[in-house]
Amino acid sequence: EVQLVESGGGLVQPGGSLRLSCAASGFTFSSHWMSWVRQAPGKGLEWVANINQVGSETYYVDSVKGRFSISRDNAKGSLYLQLNSLRGEDTAIYYCATIVPVKCFEYWGLGTLVTVSS
Amino acid sequence: DIQMTQSPSTLSASVGDRVTITCRASQSISSWLAWYQQKPGKAPKVLIYEASTLESGVPLRFSGSGSGTEFTLTISSLQPDDFATYYCQQYNSYSGYTFGQGTKLEIK
Repeated sequence: EVQLVESGGGLVQPGGSLRLSCAASGFTFSSHWMSWVRQAPGKGLEWVANINQVGSETYYVDSVKGRFSISRDNAKGSLYLQLNSLRGEDTAIYYCATIVPVKCFEYWGLGTLVTVSS
Repeated sequence: DIQMTQSPSTLSASVGDRVTITCRASQSISSWLAWYQQKPGKAPKVLIYEASTLESGVPLRFSGSGSGTEFTLTISSLQPDDFATYYCQQYNSYSGYTFGQGTKLEIK
């Protein structure tokens, strides 16, 4: 059974940092592009970042470029998102998701909540 | 960047109704479009991918159509479990994905 379990969310002050993790199991993690998607409270879905199988290609939505960094550790089956210079508008549930050819997002985690507030 | 315009934002309908949600891309995305259903407190669930391919296990009352810039999701006969929020999403390139704004399907 495929499982994606996010962790690392919490309350942080504006300008602060957090590192989110996503532990993957039940599939060949190293064979898949992976993604982070977020959802602000009561709002819609927003794609945040993609990373290829070996971590050599990364892409970001414009609003997080230069502040967020996606990475992975295939040996540990883990995906990460480093969040720096956090702003109030970054408050959201952050989901990790697997990307498969043709279908795009196939599996999603349950999400981890990041709250940016003083 | 590719923008996705989804309409309507809210849709009131009754059990048994046929409903259609539309999504327009700001440039051609071929058939690289997915539709998701999301219920409160849950992660999204894929219903349709590649514009018209039904995900395994999804009821046949859901269907998708379109290509290029215009896409539709149709639910042929609404069931009580279908009242949720629906999103379209383009995945034309790994370098950037975009979701539509969402359509909240409410009980009339």
